[in-house]
Amino acid sequence: SQELEQSPQSLIVQEGKNLTINCTSSKTLYGLYWYKQKYGEGLIFLMMLQKGGEEKSHEKITAKLDEKKQQSSLHITASQPSHAGIYLCGADIITGTASKLTFGTGTRLQVTL
Amino acid sequence: ETGVTQTPRHLVMGMTNKKSLKCEQHLGHNAMYWYKQSAKKPLELMFVYNFKEQTENNSVPSRFSPECPNSSHLFLHLHTLQPEDSALYLCASSPGASGSREQFFGPGTRLTVL
Repeated sequence: SQELEQSPQSLIVQEGKNLTINCTSSKTLYGLYWYKQKYGEGLIFLMMLQKGGEEKSHEKITAKLDEKKQQSSLHITASQPSHAGIYLCGADIITGTASKLTFGTGTRLQVTL
Repeated sequence: ETGVTQTPRHLVMGMTNKKSLKCEQHLGHNAMYWYKQSAKKPLELMFVYNFKEQTENNSVPSRFSPECPNSSHLFLHLHTLQPEDSALYLCASSPGASGSREQFFGPGTRLTVL
């Protein structure tokens, strides 16, 4: 099983609709990062969350980290074609006395007109 | 532009070839990373360098050989690769290799092994 589970794997939404992507771990996350990737290109950093209950927003994208620091959600309000791409969550997962940098499998988002 | 460049962007090589991937960051960061991204698999961390020293090697086969001559440059030397090594290879950098690791990624090198 994956250390970071993302859901859904893919999503098709109509322009203007809201959507949510989830990232879940069974272990405590030291740091949680959200990235966006255009197909075949590098990852663009969106947001970083570190504290339980933390919430950050940038333009129409809001990310939250739950109090237990095991789940994060990414919410897009009034989606636009420019939001299309692959969204990946990454995290420092605490293993013993060290942390391991791990990524989810990604959520592919399509926005239709 | 993220401040991290990678060359070449595309590479096709035979299993007996030797080639190198190059990564350069202009952000003044101290940590650099190599990742492998294959279809339908999570991003795989391969190597981590912090202040030019290798701090992580995630069981990567020896046919992949990293080199970090300074904090701004990172290479991945490829030798006798297999077709299953075909993937997008991404380089990233971050201010440090511990604590918060907000990473900046390059555009990647699409590698095809014939």
